[in-house]
Order: sequence, then structure tokens, then C-alpha cells
Amino acid sequence: DTVLTQSPALAVSPGERVTISCKASESVSTRMHWYQQKPGQQPKLLIYKASNLASGVPARFSGSGSGTDFTLTIDPVEADDTATYFCQQSWNGPNTFGAGTKLELK
Amino acid sequence: QVQLKESGPGLVKPSETLSLTCTVSGFSLTSYHVSWVRQPPGKGLEWMGVIWGDGSTAYNSALKSRLSISRDTSKSQVFLKMSSLKTEDTATYYCARDPGIEYYFDYWGQGVMVTVSS
Repeated sequence: DTVLTQSPALAVSPGERVTISCKASESVSTRMHWYQQKPGQQPKLLIYKASNLASGVPARFSGSGSGTDFTLTIDPVEADDTATYFCQQSWNGPNTFGAGTKLELK
Repeated sequence: QVQLKESGPGLVKPSETLSLTCTVSGFSLTSYHVSWVRQPPGKGLEWMGVIWGDGSTAYNSALKSRLSISRDTSKSQVFLKMSSLKTEDTATYYCARDPGIEYYFDYWGQGVMVTVSS
């Protein structure tokens, strides 16, 4: 199975720019998707197919990458962005998720 | 609007079979695909399987021998059955909609917490 590696946690100040990385153990083309999950809630789709903004998601969120290296960028970060962010690949079966990056605001 | 809602028992004994229902509204099960995804407490997400709009299914090979997904389109319901439960199957179980065939999920249910314990 394709393993997705994410940094466990990040801490940033409101108004700053933050990049969350996801590295795949093999190429996933551009079939990388990003979700936001707040405590006690279901995941919410932010970015699909590497760089496409999901409906209703603020333009502060953006995604980039292809192959094995992907990035989710939030610029500027707001207090409400405190959450865990998961990447998911759907190029190689079965589709798999990263362990998540917990974003905390200073 | 699009909604998915999971239902089922909160507690199941080891070796028993888990049965969950996902009731959807705002879209047709014949036009969209629905997956089941689970999340053990404090851990990451695991895709379990999918039922396609045409009714065919695909499963995570790690669970395939124990898992079955079916549906009743007249009731807008998708069903998950997983046998031979173990304590490590304790998790929140989500159903989620795939808007195409690219295995990403644009709408999720609120999830149902299932504890496997004697």
C-alpha cells in the first residue's frame, strides 16, 4: 500500500502562512486530496486532485504538487483553522490516508 | 442538500458481526458512489470499501474477507456488514460520498462510534 508521510504537528500565529506537507512512498500522479478535521467532527474536503479547491472552501486554502510531494498551504491562517489535516491518495489501490498534521495556533 | 447519516449499535462483542446503515438524502445512490471509512480513537483514517453507482463493490484487501457492502436504492440506504469483530475494530465509522470515480469524498456523515468489547 502507498504510505503517506505527514509531519505530526505545527504551530503558527494567526495571519501567518503555513505549509503542510505530504510525501508519498510512490508516485500518486495528482490524485492527492486534503481534508480538515476538527475534534469531534467528520473530515471536510478542502482540496481534490492536488490543486482543486472544493466547493465553499475559502481561497486561503490552496494545494500543489505531483508525483510524490504535495503541499497544502493556508495563507493567511485564521484561529478557526485549528484542526488536523489529512492527505489522501487515490492513485494506487487501496486508497490511503496520511496520519494527519495537527495545526495549532499560537 | 446532500446528507449522509450513519446508524448502528454502539457496542458489539468480539467475534460478532457489525451491521451499520448509511441513510443518504439529496442525491441518488445510482448516480454517486458511497464509501465506508473508519477512524480508531485518536488515530488516522482507513478506507474500507465502496459501492459504486452501478451496485458493484470494491474492498480494502486488508478487510475483504470480513466485509460486505450492499444497498437498498428504494430506501436510499447503504449497508456495511463486518464479521469476526476484534477489539482493534473499535472506531468511528463514516460513510462518505464520492462524486466521481476518483475516490475522494466530498460529503461525509457525522460518524457512528462502535466499541468492540465483551
